[in-house]
Amino acid sequence: QSALTQPPSASGSPGQSVTISCTGTSSDVGGYNSVSWYQQHPGKAPKLMIYEVTKRPSGVPDRFSGSKSGNTASLTVSGLQAEDEADYYCSSYAGRKNVVFGGGTKLTVL
Amino acid sequence: EVQLVESGGGLVQPGGSLRLSCAASGFTFSNYWMSWVRQAPGKGLEWVANIKQDGSEKYYVDSVKGRFTISRDNAKNSVYLQMNSLRAEDTAVYYCARGGQWLPLYVWGQGTTVTVSS
Repeated sequence: QSALTQPPSASGSPGQSVTISCTGTSSDVGGYNSVSWYQQHPGKAPKLMIYEVTKRPSGVPDRFSGSKSGNTASLTVSGLQAEDEADYYCSSYAGRKNVVFGGGTKLTVL
Repeated sequence: EVQLVESGGGLVQPGGSLRLSCAASGFTFSNYWMSWVRQAPGKGLEWVANIKQDGSEKYYVDSVKGRFTISRDNAKNSVYLQMNSLRAEDTAVYYCARGGQWLPLYVWGQGTTVTVSS
């Protein structure tokens, strides 16, 4: 069982928006502004998409955005494109010198 | 180009040892914390360990404490993971990653596969 809870799957049609949630506790997601999101295509290494809850690294499309409310963080993908189909993982610093990840969400573009 | 290349994975029997290496290029290696993250087959990501720029601080996930040791050689632009007393549950793809002390993990290698089986 992963430390952070994500829905196992999400889906949307091209052009639509989809939001993936990531629920933790006040000891991790709620306690630090360190939530980051990673995209992973099959057989590939993870890629950083969002860091410090809302920031996007250079080169990541602005269709990707992040937010947080209390102990739940969210990743929103707007204007879905076929290449967005991938697994998405959230992560957070969890105090006590530890990092935790969510179990991952498989995003399907219908 | 910023790049991380892992090596050293393979098949090892339970109780055995393995040393993973990660060679960095395209950036000033000695300026960054480095981490190892693993992914068991069909499973999610799990942070394993990290090491400070000068090697003076090292942290581990509870499940590997006392068995795994992270180290680095800034002269060789490399970070290592010595894995002892390996268990079946250590079977995974192991990624090295560059980041801040904890998060985010900005740059990832392509991974090296470790299989623990008799």
